Amino acid sequence: QVQVVQSGAEVKKPGAAVKVSCKTSGYAFTNCAFHWVRQAPGQSLEYMGWIIGGNGNTNYSPRFQDRVTITRDTSASTVYMDLSSLGSEDTAVYYCAVETYINGCCNFDYWGQGTLVTVSS
Amino acid sequence: QSALTQPASVSGSPGQSITISCSGTSADVGAYRRVSWYQQHLGKAPKLIIYNVSDRPSGISSRFSGSKSGNTASLTISGLQPEDEADYYCSSYTTRPTYVFGSGTKVTVL
Repeated sequence: QVQVVQSGAEVKKPGAAVKVSCKTSGYAFTNCAFHWVRQAPGQSLEYMGWIIGGNGNTNYSPRFQDRVTITRDTSASTVYMDLSSLGSEDTAVYYCAVETYINGCCNFDYWGQGTLVTVSS
Repeated sequence: QSALTQPASVSGSPGQSITISCSGTSADVGAYRRVSWYQQHLGKAPKLIIYNVSDRPSGISSRFSGSKSGNTASLTISGLQPEDEADYYCSSYTTRPTYVFGSGTKVTVL
């Protein structure tokens, strides 16, 4: 059974950065891709980017290209998402979603519980 | 990348069927069979219910079905049940390449 556990809620001031972690188990880490998706209060899902578990290749959505960095630690089966220059519009729940390829390409098969990031002065 | 267009809300009585549309472009929905659907109950993480336009993951009820025509994908829920009340989102892989989500549809069981 794949488990995806994210780090706890964060409160940050405008201009600061946040780092959210996502630890997975139950599936071969290097055979997966890991995606980050956010959801502002009352809003839809918004795609941020991915990292390939095996080779560490990344791809970022154009909207976040300049502010987001996704990394991984294969020894810890953990993925990290760094978002810099935070503004109030970045207040959202951030989700880590795992693509195991069990259903083929391009699906978010398992999701973490979400991490609430609040940006407030 | 603009969000895919979904109706804001759809409702139905128990036992009825409802359909949710997801309109995109030739650069996303129309480009590949890489459309998936997610169910999100209030306060919970999304859950994959349809992948590759019309396939169901293991354990997902056959009451959920998907299809696509041109740049528009659709999710149909047959035999609507109270537990189907949730938000539903489509997602598509794009030519960029990246992913784009739909605007979301709130399903209400009357």
